[in-house]
Amino acid sequence: EVQVVQSGAEVRQPGESLKISCKASGHRYTPYWIAWFRQMPGKGLEWMGIIYPGDSDTKYSPSFQGQVTMSADRSTSTAYLQWTSLKASDTAVYYCASHTFYDYISGFDVWGQGTLVTVSS
Amino acid sequence: QSALTQPPSASGSPGQSVTISCTGSNSDVGYYMYVSWYQQHPGKAPKLMIYEVTKRPSGVPDRFSGSRSGNTASLTVSGLQAEDEAEYYCSSFAGSSKLLFGGGTKLTVL
Repeated sequence: EVQVVQSGAEVRQPGESLKISCKASGHRYTPYWIAWFRQMPGKGLEWMGIIYPGDSDTKYSPSFQGQVTMSADRSTSTAYLQWTSLKASDTAVYYCASHTFYDYISGFDVWGQGTLVTVSS
Repeated sequence: QSALTQPPSASGSPGQSVTISCTGSNSDVGYYMYVSWYQQHPGKAPKLMIYEVTKRPSGVPDRFSGSRSGNTASLTVSGLQAEDEAEYYCSSFAGSSKLLFGGGTKLTVL
């Protein structure tokens, strides 16, 4: 069974850095991508970008380019989302998702449980 | 402002059918057969309900169906049940590794 498991909730102060993780398992034979989504309190889903853990090829949504950094560790099948200087407006639940289809453009059928990031002084 | 346009709300009584629209452009919804729909209950992760416009993942009830006409995709929920009350999001591939999402539609079962 394919699944992705995210790291736990985090609380940081403005200006601090943070790196959250998403560990994939169960992808046996097909290549797979991992996407990141932001959901601010009471708001909709926003696609942040996508990374291919096999070679760390990364595509950012224009809205998030330069605001966050996505990375991956192929050896542990783990993707990361990183901030160097958090703002209060980064407070949100962040989801990672993957797919069992041949390509991610078909849709994401495997979702993590979400990581709540709270940025407050 | 979201790239894909969804109505903010929709409603129906148990047993009825309801259709949620998702309007894009001829560069995304109208061009690619890669429209998907997600259901999200409060406090839960999204769940894929429809992919590639009309296909249902294993385990999704056949009460859920997808279609497309021109630049507008639609999700129809037939035989509404209380557990269908949730937020629904559409998504479309837009080329060049770009994905677009709608702002979400809150479905209320009256």
